[in-house]
Amino acid sequence: EPEVTQTPSHQVTQMGQEVILRCVPISNHLYFYWYRQILGQKVEFLVSFYNNEISEKSEIFDDQFSVERPDGSNFTLKIRSTKLEDSAMYFCASVGTSGANVLTFGAGSRLTVL
Amino acid sequence: AQTVTQSQPEMSVQEAETVTLSCTYDTSESDYYLFWYKQPPSRQMILVIRQEAYKQQNATENRFSVNFQKAAKSFSLKISDSQLGDAAMYFCAYRSARNNNDMRFGAGTRLTVKP
Repeated sequence: EPEVTQTPSHQVTQMGQEVILRCVPISNHLYFYWYRQILGQKVEFLVSFYNNEISEKSEIFDDQFSVERPDGSNFTLKIRSTKLEDSAMYFCASVGTSGANVLTFGAGSRLTVL
Repeated sequence: AQTVTQSQPEMSVQEAETVTLSCTYDTSESDYYLFWYKQPPSRQMILVIRQEAYKQQNATENRFSVNFQKAAKSFSLKISDSQLGDAAMYFCAYRSARNNNDMRFGAGTRLTVKP
């Protein structure tokens, strides 16, 4: 069964460092998302991406965050200067145009900022 | 804005018994999708079941079924014959049919299964 692949599974970084989280969505999917889950809290929407541009972003997705699809397969989330409060699980998801609008999630990337 | 409420932070069930997890949502839209996702300790988000709002029939997937009450904006999940592997966080989610970006999650219910 097709799946969304995320790397790294866990990254530890120092505050102020740049981090890039990578995602390979399902190949025929057209809509891509990043969600964040701080430990013990609910899953929060960060950004959606369609047709090579951001279609919507939440208030969490400030200037420190950026997304891109550099090569037509990878979908990356960059945090320019990490803060302690960026420590969370980051989930990538994708959905196609057929079916029941079901988001398929990756296994997540755990980011720990020290 | 659409909101999703899960009023039970924690639930427990005896193995082989049945448990129901509650979810309510608030929306002004008539066409939308509802989902239950399971998040085991690995923290991966796994789709359990989905319901299209235009369908009156309640969705079922093996031991999992929903009670969808559109007028009451309620979407509960029933797990029958609970198994140890069902222990996880369960998140209810709402997604607009009009806006592909609009998917909201509830705060989650932690389900414990007792042997």
